[in-house]
Amino acid sequence: AQTVTQSQPEMSVQEAETVTLSCTYDTSESDYYLFWYKQPPSRQMILVIRQEAYKQQNATENRFSVNFQKAAKSFSLKISDSQLGDAAMYFCAYEGGGATNKLIFGTGTLLAVQP
Amino acid sequence: GAVVSQHPSRVICKSGTSVKIECRSLDFQATTMFWYRQFPKQSLMLMATSNEGSKATYEQGVEKDKFLINHASLTLSTLTVTSAHPEDSSFYICSAPPGGFYGYTFGSGTRLTVV
Repeated sequence: AQTVTQSQPEMSVQEAETVTLSCTYDTSESDYYLFWYKQPPSRQMILVIRQEAYKQQNATENRFSVNFQKAAKSFSLKISDSQLGDAAMYFCAYEGGGATNKLIFGTGTLLAVQP
Repeated sequence: GAVVSQHPSRVICKSGTSVKIECRSLDFQATTMFWYRQFPKQSLMLMATSNEGSKATYEQGVEKDKFLINHASLTLSTLTVTSAHPEDSSFYICSAPPGGFYGYTFGSGTRLTVV
């Protein structure tokens, strides 16, 4: 069975600085998708970034980028120029390439942004 | 973009009564809907997967007679918590895969409190 591990329950970053959130996963599949979701205090789940496993190039969305290491099964999220609005719970998630298409979530990292 | 509308956002009910939560896909057809439960400061736990026109698939440990799921149309899936008890108090979230690049879209969640 696939698992997703986030080893940092809480992180803190100064406004305008850079922070990296860690995520590792375990799977025997070769085709899959990885996601980072943000859950602010409103608890609405917001897609931050998505990575297809077959793509070697790391995904980037404005201030958000990932370091995808397929062999190491690592998928970290880098937030550059952190803003107060980035404060939230961040979840790493895995979607297998099979028919079930369900998301498997990590335990989450609570990010605080200090002014 | 794809939107899933979830109602109600908050509900308080008496112990022993039933509560229905609705999730509607507004601008796409959701043949599949995932239902999650989330306790405070914890991750999302998949409860069940509903498919339009067929029986839902429940995750291990989830009581299918307590959490009734109906997916009668391509735009509506419902979760009914039957004979609710205080331990059923939680945050419930639905999610649908609209396909394409966007991955999954989530409802805004329902905070259920059973008194």
